[in-house]
Amino acid sequence: GENVEQHPSTLSVQEGDSAVIKCTYSDSASNYFPWYKQELGKGPQLIIDIRSNVGEKKDQRIAVTLNKTAKHFSLHITETQPEDSAVYFCAATANTGGFKTIFGAGTRLFVKA
Amino acid sequence: DARVTQTPRHKVTEMGQEVTMRCQPILGHNTVFWYRQTMMQGLELLAYFRNRAPLDDSGMPKDRFSAEMPDATLATLKIQPSEPRDSAVYFCASGRDLKTDTQYFGPGTRLTVL
Repeated sequence: GENVEQHPSTLSVQEGDSAVIKCTYSDSASNYFPWYKQELGKGPQLIIDIRSNVGEKKDQRIAVTLNKTAKHFSLHITETQPEDSAVYFCAATANTGGFKTIFGAGTRLFVKA
Repeated sequence: DARVTQTPRHKVTEMGQEVTMRCQPILGHNTVFWYRQTMMQGLELLAYFRNRAPLDDSGMPKDRFSAEMPDATLATLKIQPSEPRDSAVYFCASGRDLKTDTQYFGPGTRLTVL
């Protein structure tokens, strides 16, 4: 079946360093790629998203890149802060004749002060 | 600050009992999604609605799970009878429409079935 692979499962960085999380999807019909941040005891919150007609998108310290040919997309967080510590999920959505979102398994990010 | 609300936040019940989880989507949103999150399976889409009509519930065990939207401000997910393997966090999310895709998640209901 369709799936989304996410790496790494755990990432530990020093405050101020950059963090990169990578995802690969299998459904070539996927055209929307959101990233969610989930803090302990809370629901996932959208932090950035990208659509298939765009290669890169940036919002302050967060950026996402998409390579449709390779079916890869990545989240980049620069100048990490302790409050960035959370679990991050990528997702791939196919919205053609139906609706299907598949989430990656998540990356637990630790930012050490 | 509009938010998706879910009740109860926590539920502990015994195997065989009926469980009802409720969700209030953001006002004006016409799509509602139900997800289940476990350590083993991650986030799984159970069902989703558009304009209160169920569009797809293929992710849901049909024999025990049911999802409804009695009105535009309330979505329910019922499990009857509940089993220990149903223990998970259940999230509701809402969106403006399927084409814009952005989903806004509620805080979840943590269900424990003993």
